[in-house]
Amino acid sequence: DQQVKQNSPSLSVQEGRISILNCDYTNSMFDYFLWYKKYPAEGPTFLISISSIKDKNEDGRFTVFLNKSAKHLSLHIVPSQPGDSAVYFCAARGFPTGNQFYFGTGTSLTVIP
Amino acid sequence: KAGVTQTPRYLIKTRGQQVTLSCSPISGHRSVSWYQQTPGQGLQFLFEYFSETQRNKGNFPGRFSGRQFSNSRSEMNVSTLELGDSALYLCASSFEQGALNEQFFGPGTRLTVL
Repeated sequence: DQQVKQNSPSLSVQEGRISILNCDYTNSMFDYFLWYKKYPAEGPTFLISISSIKDKNEDGRFTVFLNKSAKHLSLHIVPSQPGDSAVYFCAARGFPTGNQFYFGTGTSLTVIP
Repeated sequence: KAGVTQTPRYLIKTRGQQVTLSCSPISGHRSVSWYQQTPGQGLQFLFEYFSETQRNKGNFPGRFSGRQFSNSRSEMNVSTLELGDSALYLCASSFEQGALNEQFFGPGTRLTVL
């Protein structure tokens, strides 16, 4: 049962434009959400996170938005750069399910120069 | 500081065999988590070890097991391999159990079961 879903397997964006990656979840008990970036032949690296008590968190070009009523979060990258081309995973931590992280299936972002 | 290392990087086995994967966490990190990544399922949580004890376990059959040593290095074992076990196995380390944004991933072990 996939509790965290990324329904877009791929996304292509022109350099300089905004990239919007979406993620939906089903468990209202999730209390913390993260985005990871993964390059080929490397492990995922942490990008940005947001607590369930917030609706927005910003870090440079990256902003994560959380809509708890819709059980939806999104990652905005502005402006997009070719180096942002990677697979992006969203993840959620459950409580009281403990410190287990649930990951989405990933969205492959291609930024076209 | 060296990152998380996983050995071997690539492995080919046949059905019915067993396999052991190794993960060395970042120095000082005490928590190691294991994930299975497949194209259709994304990253699926296998288990987390902290101070040589399994603290959390995902929804995987008993063929998947692990352990952690006193130096925090961890091994994962899969017995009676099935074709569906072909995947990228990732481990992640953090200083504390269940650490949020301080979880660092290794490059993974690509297991192919023929």
